[in-house]
Amino acid sequence: TQLLEQSPQFLSIQEGENLTVYCNSSSVFSSLQWYRQEPGEGPVLLVTVVTGGEVKKLKRLTFQFGDARKDSSLHITAAQPGDTGLYLCAGRLINSGYALNFGKGTSLLVTP
Amino acid sequence: NAGVTQTPKFRILKIGQSMTLQCTQDMNHNYMYWYRQDPGMGLKLIYYSVGAGITDKGEVPNGYNVSRSTTEDFPLRLELAAPSQTSVYFCASSAGITDTQYFGPGTRLTVL
Repeated sequence: TQLLEQSPQFLSIQEGENLTVYCNSSSVFSSLQWYRQEPGEGPVLLVTVVTGGEVKKLKRLTFQFGDARKDSSLHITAAQPGDTGLYLCAGRLINSGYALNFGKGTSLLVTP
Repeated sequence: NAGVTQTPKFRILKIGQSMTLQCTQDMNHNYMYWYRQDPGMGLKLIYYSVGAGITDKGEVPNGYNVSRSTTEDFPLRLELAAPSQTSVYFCASSAGITDTQYFGPGTRLTVL
């Protein structure tokens, strides 16, 4: 059973376009994280959101945590080829302690 | 600082063979983790450790063993390799249980 569902699974866009990636669950999380993974490398943490409704910005990336802490979104404005990679969301369930539950990821390709 | 290093980077095993995946971190982190990542799937936690001498099972521990004799090292042992263990293995470390996890570059293992 996949706790976190990410959509879309694949996304191919042209440089300059905007996009949104979604991470949904029926479970409540104490925190949710977004990672970017490039081919042949391990995931790298982009952001952690902990408060329902929280919005965080990292340059052209905007992350939002749902009010009920069951979902999150990642919006990229004016995508660049350097944004290409696998985007993973991961969350810690309320009262679960240590475990990070990962989504399957969204593979993004940005072409010039 | 090198961060988290993993060896080997690639390995091909025959069914029934054994091997140890090495993981070392130089950040003096107490927490260390082993994940596997299958194509199109998120990361699944195999084992984790909260400090030297203390390890515990994650979501998918069957077929694997770990030890933690020092703060720096957290090797993962496969005793009787099976095709189902073909995957990319990532080691990670963190200072605290909810702190940022830093991932190594991964070991790509194929069992034939």
